[in-house]
Amino acid sequence: DVKVTQSSRYLVKRTGEKVFLECVQDMDHENMFWYRQDPGLGLRLIYFSYDVKMKEKGDIPEGYSVSREKKERFSLILESASTNQTSMYLCASSFGQGRGTDTQYFGPGTRLTVL
Amino acid sequence: AQTVTQSQPEMSVQEAETVTLSCTYDTSESNYYLFWYKQPPSRQMILVIRQEAYKQQNATENRFSVNFQKAAKSFSLKISDSQLGDTAMYFCAFMKRSSGTYKYIFGTGTRLKVLA
Repeated sequence: DVKVTQSSRYLVKRTGEKVFLECVQDMDHENMFWYRQDPGLGLRLIYFSYDVKMKEKGDIPEGYSVSREKKERFSLILESASTNQTSMYLCASSFGQGRGTDTQYFGPGTRLTVL
Repeated sequence: AQTVTQSQPEMSVQEAETVTLSCTYDTSESNYYLFWYKQPPSRQMILVIRQEAYKQQNATENRFSVNFQKAAKSFSLKISDSQLGDTAMYFCAFMKRSSGTYKYIFGTGTRLKVLA
């Protein structure tokens, strides 16, 4: 079974702190994604990566950056956390083009609260 | 720009009954993929069913089936013989792959409650 893990289930941070959310997948997937999930808004893509050191902005990248130094690991960074970044963050991964069915496999999520 | 609309924020169904969740989307593309994902309470999101737009035949996975109407841009999910374990948030998603990059759009979700 594909396993996608996220470093924390719950996280509480203060405004202005730098926050790291980590995601690891064990299925040799090329693609990895970070979403935020808010009630009434569904999932919105923040960033995705289709290879090591490669990244593309999603629909709401402002205030976030990402890092992918190894294929299995994709980090989301909040440079200076703000209260409007309080949300559930979901990581996902999938096979790259020509491999697999583009199905995304999700982690359990990190519920981040910024005070 | 592509959009995905789920017009039913909440639904409920009696155990063993059938329920249909609606999803419409807007795109000018001809080749794309559609998905239904399920997010049970406090658990990970998982794939329910997947449909390639170039396939006319509706996808089926056990008790889950879709009604894919490409011209109408409609992709509804039918759950037959509903079970308590089907209680979850359901998301419809559109995916388009183009030159190595991806466009993945999710709807706002439908919260389904199966009643005993």
